[in-house]
Amino acid sequence: DIQMTQSPSSVSASVGDRVTITCRASQGIYSWLAWYQQKPGKAPKLLIYATSNLQSGVPSRFSGSGSGTDFTLTISSLQPEDCATYFCQQSHITPPTFGQGTRLEIK
Amino acid sequence: EVQLVESGGGLVQPGGSLRLSCAASGFTFSSYWMHWVRQVPGKGLEWVSRINSDGSSTSYADSVKGQFTVSRDNAKNTLYLQMNSLSAEDTAVYFCARDGVVGAHGDWFDPWGQGTLVTVSS
Repeated sequence: DIQMTQSPSSVSASVGDRVTITCRASQGIYSWLAWYQQKPGKAPKLLIYATSNLQSGVPSRFSGSGSGTDFTLTISSLQPEDCATYFCQQSHITPPTFGQGTRLEIK
Repeated sequence: EVQLVESGGGLVQPGGSLRLSCAASGFTFSSYWMHWVRQVPGKGLEWVSRINSDGSSTSYADSVKGQFTVSRDNAKNTLYLQMNSLSAEDTAVYFCARDGVVGAHGDWFDPWGQGTLVTVSS
């Protein structure tokens, strides 16, 4: 299975800050990477698919980049409602696998 | 509105069985591959299984292969997960999710149901 490793495991930032979360795959996955946001007690919500495609309805402050093994989720200007856990997920090879999550807190 | 609603979770003894259901609405269910993903409360996400749009092809995580069976009834717009020989390691919230691609498997998930908790304990 492809292992997905996110960093950092947790991050604390202020409203308006630029926040970057990194995801590394144990082998190349081309651009087959998705990002999800999960708030406590809720289901994950798709933010980005195929590395950089913003899902409909997701604010444009979210963006994704990368290819091969290294990927990034960026929030350009952090908002209070962005407090959540973020997961990356590869969709290149079965089984689809997820990163361990990055917990984002607002200072 | 696209909606997925899981049911069937609960407390089951080790070695027992449970069948989860996922009722879909707001989209053409028969056009989409569907998935089950589970999450131990407070932990990460684990893909469990997927089924193609007409139910003729299935895939499973190694951790559940031979133990779980995914199926669907397109006439009822419902996805199922039959879980047998349950152990404590299967305790988790089980989510159903639609594949992100129409008619094929992109293997990203949108949307997700609200989840149903399965607790395996004596």
